[in-house]
Amino acid sequence: AQSVTQLDSQVPVFEEAPVELRCNYSSSVSVYLFWYVQYPNQGLQLLLKYLSGSTLVKGINGFEAEFNKSQTSFHLRKPSVHISDTAEYFCAVDVRVGGTSYGKLTFGQGTILTVHP
Amino acid sequence: DGGITQSPKYLFRKEGQNVTLSCEQNLNHDAMYWYRQDPGQGLRLIYYSQIVNDFQKGDIAEGYSVSREKKESFPLTVTSAQKNPTAFYLCASSIGGNRAETQYFGPGTRLLVL
Repeated sequence: AQSVTQLDSQVPVFEEAPVELRCNYSSSVSVYLFWYVQYPNQGLQLLLKYLSGSTLVKGINGFEAEFNKSQTSFHLRKPSVHISDTAEYFCAVDVRVGGTSYGKLTFGQGTILTVHP
Repeated sequence: DGGITQSPKYLFRKEGQNVTLSCEQNLNHDAMYWYRQDPGQGLRLIYYSQIVNDFQKGDIAEGYSVSREKKESFPLTVTSAQKNPTAFYLCASSIGGNRAETQYFGPGTRLLVL
């Protein structure tokens, strides 16, 4: 079975500073990788996903993530954060079987990003 | 506007009572999912359905039941057998076909026990 570990439960940063949210996964087979964002009392919204190809993936709101197969990581980065980036961020994996998936996401525990003025 | 609606926003359950959470989507998606969210635990899959009239248990199905009689609807019943139902419940849908498609989430229902 696969698992996802988000290494930081909370990350405080100042506005305009860079940020990295760390995600490691464990799986005996290939995976698809996702980052979702959740604003308070709302559902989740997709930031970006890695399916195949280039290991550097760009998403919405200036976020990007890099897939590192040897380190089984998929860290999320943004070079300069804004107050509006304050939210909870979730890393997720979907097991890849051949060219398809089971369609079941396994989520990490979440990282709360707080951007201070 | 296309999207996923969940109702009610807040739901209160008495001891021994079954309650049903509604999830409707007008995205014409085949696959639908129910997740439970507890603080510090991320989201855990309760049930999912890849097609009408078919559904599978997720990781924490005990104490829950679902039906999928229509493509656009996937209601979740929290039964009296679920001893710790207080949580935030999220419904999601995707195009389906096992292609690692993006899941689109509803706004959630917060269930509280009286």
